[in-house]
Amino acid sequence: NAGVTQTPKFRILKIGQSMTLQCTQDMNHNYMYWYRQDPGMGLKLIYYSVGAGITDKGEVPNGYNVSRSTTEDFPLRLELAAPSQTSVYFCASSYRVREETQYFGPGTRLLVL
Amino acid sequence: RKEVEQDPGPFNVPEGATVAFNCTYSNSASQSFFWYRQDCRKEPKLLMSVYSSGNEDGRFTAQLNRASQYISLLIRDSKLSDSATYLCVGGGNQFYFGTGTSLTVIP
Repeated sequence: NAGVTQTPKFRILKIGQSMTLQCTQDMNHNYMYWYRQDPGMGLKLIYYSVGAGITDKGEVPNGYNVSRSTTEDFPLRLELAAPSQTSVYFCASSYRVREETQYFGPGTRLLVL
Repeated sequence: RKEVEQDPGPFNVPEGATVAFNCTYSNSASQSFFWYRQDCRKEPKLLMSVYSSGNEDGRFTAQLNRASQYISLLIRDSKLSDSATYLCVGGGNQFYFGTGTSLTVIP
């Protein structure tokens, strides 16, 4: 199993540009999550999904959108990039309820200039 | 008030030392607790879950004190490879991560 994979690894965006961060897991996990981690800070939950077709907001959803059309994929969309969205983005998944161990992808480093 | 708080450190300890980290949580309804390890510029990885009765995994011991709302991680006989940031995680319907405690084990 590849586990949780994320693309791209690194991206530079200009203010106002849009992009999609890709996340795929091959563990047949129901739950998937998007976090952002700013320097010296803990991870903050952006959005999560409990299964295909179901998504919900986390702690910091503003400026982002998600979709979950399949069990495997959970893309994160930035519509109008802002410097405040410069961060490292981690996707994670877990099998059952949200309290289960989460498996993280390697992260996407995003710089908005 | 943050949901989960931990001392950011850094903790610099010699090889073979014992080091302890504490973490407090604000929501008394939190049900699940974990310690994750994060190496520099890498993703977090589960170190261990934290059970009410306390649990041990080799050199690592985790404790939960619900009355005082804190969890702890004890590392015995520190190795150079233990150098990392340790994230405390707690929650019920949603996970909350602490900002992490930095540990450097010195030869």
